[in-house]
Amino acid sequence: GAVVSQHPSWVICKSGTSVKIECRSLDFQATTMFWYRQFPKQSLMLMATSNEGSKATYEQGVEKDKFLINHASLTLSTLTVTSAHPEDSSFYICSVVGGGYNEQFFGPGTRLTVL
Amino acid sequence: AQSVAQPEDQVNVAEGNPLTVKCTYSVSGNPYLFWYVQYPNRGLQFLLKYITGDNLVKGSYGFEAEFNKSQTSFHLKKPSALVSDSALYFCAVRDGYGNKLVFGAGTILRVKS
Repeated sequence: GAVVSQHPSWVICKSGTSVKIECRSLDFQATTMFWYRQFPKQSLMLMATSNEGSKATYEQGVEKDKFLINHASLTLSTLTVTSAHPEDSSFYICSVVGGGYNEQFFGPGTRLTVL
Repeated sequence: AQSVAQPEDQVNVAEGNPLTVKCTYSVSGNPYLFWYVQYPNRGLQFLLKYITGDNLVKGSYGFEAEFNKSQTSFHLKKPSALVSDSALYFCAVRDGYGNKLVFGAGTILRVKS
């Protein structure tokens, strides 16, 4: 399967600042990536679908101006949490779509803590 | 709409005993079914998938799952549990038309020595 990296693996920031999380597909070109958030002991919630060269598609209830997604190349998608607040603290996971059956391969996740 | 149910929040099993983690699904069309495992503060690791073919699917780390169309189930099994299998397990489903996965709530597996 595909190898996916995320950077940083964890980040602590002050309330009101913006944080950028990178998702990289290391061994193949991904036209589609997904961004999820996960609260402690809960399932993954799909936030948005990131398509290379076009605007991201956000799930209902996800603020697109709050969570900016850029998919500028076939190997990199970024999620920027703007004006972060403590309620944005979560585990953010990306995935890339590939393989013969359009499978998803997941990154290791980024732990965001907003103080 | 697609949905996945994992009826057990937690499964406890003794090391060496067989384990089963249950999953039922609902999807229009042919289901693509997946099992993932997550260790603390880590992303999801792929275990196995059912796309088509044999109902018994073998995956990583000795896990297998049985697809049952009539019961719309895809239970995860392992003949002999290890303490290192303790983790959070997610079942997921996708229909044949799109890329989006729908995840179950997850089941914590605890294997005690």
